Amino acid sequence: SQTIHQWPATLVQPVGSPLSLECTVEGTSNPNLYWYRQAAGRGLQLLFYSVGIGQISSEVPQNLSASRPQDRQFILSSKKLLLSDSGFYLCAWSGFGRSNTEAFFGQGTRLTVV
Amino acid sequence: GENVEQHPSTLSVQEGDSAVIKCTYSDSASNYFPWYKQELGKGPQLIIDIRSNVGEKKDQRIAVTLNKTAKHFSLHITETQPEDSAVYFCAASIGRGSTLGRLYFGRGTQLTVWP
Repeated sequence: SQTIHQWPATLVQPVGSPLSLECTVEGTSNPNLYWYRQAAGRGLQLLFYSVGIGQISSEVPQNLSASRPQDRQFILSSKKLLLSDSGFYLCAWSGFGRSNTEAFFGQGTRLTVV
Repeated sequence: GENVEQHPSTLSVQEGDSAVIKCTYSDSASNYFPWYKQELGKGPQLIIDIRSNVGEKKDQRIAVTLNKTAKHFSLHITETQPEDSAVYFCAASIGRGSTLGRLYFGRGTQLTVWP
């Protein structure tokens, strides 16, 4: 069966520090991968999505970047965190071709920038 | 882009009663409408979804209806139980290829079921 892993679960970082959040998917090949952010009391907003290795599309301008160095690995990064980067970050995947029937979310990373 | 509105933001019901959450969307190209349940500190879990070629779908106590003409869809939970308490999100996307997971979410409904 397919599983998605995100880490760390919680993170407290000072303003101006770098960020690296990692997401990996197991049990599937060629997944579509997504990074979402959930601000307090709000819905989820799509930040990035990727249809393959090295292919990244950004949905909104921001202080963050994403990379996909391997087929089932998706990384969210920042060189210098801002207070406004605080939030709940969720990685998601959907299948390829006929397996593309729904999107599955990881358990999320709670990021607090202080 | 797509805009999804969700109401109400909070909903309290007595155990055993029904709960209804409503959403509207703006992009007529959207054809995939999932509903997610999110418990505190966890990622959203898909509970039911509907595609534009059907008007209603049911799974035990949960049902979803879709009106493409009016661009709205609703979640119905019958015989609610305390464990149904969570935040529920509706979403919309163009459900093919990489766009299926490019979901536009409503702001969520905090459902509380009182025993």
